[in-house]
Amino acid sequence: AQSVTQLDSQVPVFEEAPVELRCNYSSSVSVYLFWYVQYPNQGLQLLLKYLSGSTLVKGINGFEAEFNKSQTSFHLRKPSVHISDTAEYFCAVSERIEAGSYQLTFGKGTKLSVIP
Amino acid sequence: GAVVSQHPSWVICKSGTSVKIECRSLDFQATTMFWYRQFPKQSLMLMATSNEGSKATYEQGVEKDKFLINHASLTLSTLTVTSAHPEDSSFYICSADTGTSGGHNEQFFGPGTRLTVL
Repeated sequence: AQSVTQLDSQVPVFEEAPVELRCNYSSSVSVYLFWYVQYPNQGLQLLLKYLSGSTLVKGINGFEAEFNKSQTSFHLRKPSVHISDTAEYFCAVSERIEAGSYQLTFGKGTKLSVIP
Repeated sequence: GAVVSQHPSWVICKSGTSVKIECRSLDFQATTMFWYRQFPKQSLMLMATSNEGSKATYEQGVEKDKFLINHASLTLSTLTVTSAHPEDSSFYICSADTGTSGGHNEQFFGPGTRLTVL
C-alpha cells in the first residue's frame, strides 16, 4: 500500500518570501505524484504532477516540485509567495488498481498562510 | 476542458432524511468516478470507486447501504446518503477519471458538496 506524509501541518510565511512544502511517499511500484491546492469550501485544483521524465516539474501559479527517488520526496516550492497563495495544499500518490484505473492516496495536507 | 460539477453545493437536512448528491463530467466521458469525504481540517478519504454500469467498490469501513452510489452513465454518478445523521455532516467531493494522459489516468475534482445534518 502506498502512503504520503506531509510533515508540516501549517506553514506561515511572509509575503514575497520563498516557501517549501514537504512531501514524502512510500511506494513499491512506479510512482505518479501530484500536488493539489484547495481553497476554502472548494474542491481540489491540480497544481502539478510527475508522471515520468524530468524530475523538476513546473506547475501553475509559479509553483514547482522536484521528484527525488532516492529520498522518496516530492517537495513543492515557490520562490515568492503572494497573499492569494493562502490555501490548503495536498500531496498525493497514485496507485494502479486495475487496468486503466488508478486510485489517489492523499497526505494530510499543509495549510499555507501568507502573512502581509 | 475536463470540468466536473457537483450539485448541490450546500445542503442542510433533518436527521433521518436521505440526501442525493450528483457528480457530472461536463465535457468528457468518465468511465470511473470517485467519491471522497473530507472532515474539517483533514485530508480527503476515499469512500468508493464507481464504474459506469457496475457496482461501486467501497473502501474498508464505508457502509455501502448507508452511502448508495449509482453510476448510471459515463457523465453522471450519484451519492445518496440514506437516513442521514449529524455524524454524516461533512464535505463530499467527487472526481472523474479522464482517461489516459501521458500513460496515466488523471482525476479532475468537483467543487464539493457541504452536507449539514441537523
